[in-house]
Amino acid sequence: GAVVSQHPSWVICKSGTSVKIECRSLDFQATTMFWYRQFPKQSLMLMATSNEGSKATYEQGVEKDKFLINHASLTLSTLTVTSAHPEDSSFYICSARVTGTSYEQYFGPGTRLTVT
Amino acid sequence: AQSVTQPDIHITVSEGASLELRCNYSYGATPYLFWYVQSPGQGLQLLLKYFSGDTLVQGIKGFEAEFKRSQSSFNLRKPSVHWSDAAEYFCAVGVGNYGGSQGNLIFGKGTKLSVKP
Repeated sequence: GAVVSQHPSWVICKSGTSVKIECRSLDFQATTMFWYRQFPKQSLMLMATSNEGSKATYEQGVEKDKFLINHASLTLSTLTVTSAHPEDSSFYICSARVTGTSYEQYFGPGTRLTVT
Repeated sequence: AQSVTQPDIHITVSEGASLELRCNYSYGATPYLFWYVQSPGQGLQLLLKYFSGDTLVQGIKGFEAEFKRSQSSFNLRKPSVHWSDAAEYFCAVGVGNYGGSQGNLIFGKGTKLSVKP
């Protein structure tokens, strides 16, 4: 149980275009989902916390207009990277927290974004 | 401020040897501690967690970790390492409002484990 999927697993896009990444909790409801960014050989950096039906909370330094997060249902959150640039190339990982629990998060397999 | 320190960036052990990965945390309240493992190009898999009770916790894949409050540590151990254990290991502490919408995780920088045949 507690499986989280991400789609796509990797994507290449041209500079200036937008790309959407989906995060789904497959067998549980997730009131809260998290989006992380991971640079090569680095730890995970929390970008934003997404609560179903409300606006996402962004960490300091993360541009909310550039990284649009939508959490429209208890099983789906999306991250849209708008007007992507090469410096946005990274590994994006989502996680979901089971409704009613605290810190325990289940992670998706990640999405590798390359902006050319 | 809350933080997690993993002092070892890279560790190499021989297959069959024992393993200990270090983790120290800084957190004012009772910590909720986790160890995750990440294989190359993959997401994170939870190995084990400590919330309360017995300070020695057992996890999956033969891993265990011991919480030592006096040392602010939560070291991960395995008695005999397998080649498939080669991966990146992250220690994390839960912070924020327990049970609330803002509770999240702070991760250490990770320790890369290499296993020699």
